[in-house]
Amino acid sequence: EVQLVQSGAEVKKPGESLKISCKGSGYSFTSYWIGWVRQMPGKGLEWMGIIYPGDSDTRYSPSFQGQVTISADKSISTAYLQWSSLKASDTAMYYCARTARPRWDAFDIWGQGTMVTVSS
Amino acid sequence: QLVLTQSPSASASLGASVKLTCTLSSGHSSYAIAWHQQQPEKGPRYLMKLNSDGSHSKGDGIPDRFSGSSSGAERYLTISSLQSEDEADYYCQTWGTGIYVFGTGTKVTVL
Repeated sequence: EVQLVQSGAEVKKPGESLKISCKGSGYSFTSYWIGWVRQMPGKGLEWMGIIYPGDSDTRYSPSFQGQVTISADKSISTAYLQWSSLKASDTAMYYCARTARPRWDAFDIWGQGTMVTVSS
Repeated sequence: QLVLTQSPSASASLGASVKLTCTLSSGHSSYAIAWHQQQPEKGPRYLMKLNSDGSHSKGDGIPDRFSGSSSGAERYLTISSLQSEDEADYYCQTWGTGIYVFGTGTKVTVL
């Protein structure tokens, strides 16, 4: 079964750093792009960026460039989304998703989501 | 600029049909899109990829009640025989080289 399993919920304080993960299984992890999507409370889906684990080619939405870092460790089939200094406005659910084919394509497999709460 | 436009809401009675629209921005009418469903308090679920010629490929386990069609820059999702579990937010998504875009979503209410 193809699946993406994300790390658990996090509660952090403003200014702290954080790295959340997304582990792929059931397919060739290095051959499909993995994207990250933010959903703020009560709001819609926003594309943050995407990485190709095969060579770590990474693209960011202009809205998130410089605000987060996307990486991947192909040896353990895991993609990451990290912040160096969290803000209260980073409070949201974060989803990872895989492209349907080994190129730019629809997201066909979604992780279960990681809730990040940033509060003093 | 690549943009997707969706109506905020739609409603139909149990057992009826509803047709949702996702409109691609000017100059992007040949783009494929995907439809995703997000039920309350759940994560998104991939429904289908929909091409400009109306051909589509559905995700695993997606009922036949869900179908897609295209006309020009518009992409449609039709849900037939509405069930209570179809009450959800529906998002369209498109992509180009190095960029992905989501529509703002349509909330479907089953009356």
